Amino acid sequence: EAGVTQFPSHSVIEKGQTVTLRCDPISGHDNLYWYRRVMGKEIKFLLHFVKESKQDESGMPNNRFLAERTGGTYSTLKVQPAELEDSGVYFCASRRTSGAGETQYFGPGTRLLVL
Amino acid sequence: GDSVTQMEGPVTLSEEAFLTINCTYTATGYPSLFWYVQYPGEGLQLLLKATKADDKGSNKGFEATYRKETTSFHLEKGSVQVSDSAVYFCALSPSSGSARQLTFGSGTQLTVLP
Repeated sequence: EAGVTQFPSHSVIEKGQTVTLRCDPISGHDNLYWYRRVMGKEIKFLLHFVKESKQDESGMPNNRFLAERTGGTYSTLKVQPAELEDSGVYFCASRRTSGAGETQYFGPGTRLLVL
Repeated sequence: GDSVTQMEGPVTLSEEAFLTINCTYTATGYPSLFWYVQYPGEGLQLLLKATKADDKGSNKGFEATYRKETTSFHLEKGSVQVSDSAVYFCALSPSSGSARQLTFGSGTQLTVLP
């Protein structure tokens, strides 16, 4: 069974540009999460999808961030326009159900650097 | 809100030394507790978990016990190896709510020297 995959692995862009990150969850996992680790600090929750629906986007920092999950399969996270403080590692995770204690499986992350 | 406080790093140990990484949490109810590990150049991997009080999670020689009375989930290993060098994250998932998103500690960088 393939794990969670993310693309690209690295992205270097200039301030004001747009970047789109992609996440492919484990097949059959309805729950998909985005997290971010900025400047070596703690990993923070951004948002949660169940299938194609956003269930909780309370962690999204501002309206420059837009996440979609068309068809309930892969997800994209777009940052437009990017700012310096958006630099960090963006992780995607998926899990099968929403039950307590259910494990979230993480992708390798996308390292974003905004210059 | 929920929070996780994790031992500050970095931690440097010699091979075969005993490891403890402290983790305490604040949450309502009975959250599930996790330790994730990130090896150099890789993503986060689940190391172990515990879903109720007094449960002990274990994997690859690592152990952690869910202590409700002290709200702790300390990670231990009796004899570390060079290959254990990584960043370790303590995390919790709430017992209620639809998202059950993870709340992480700040991570502890472990370096094991030969």
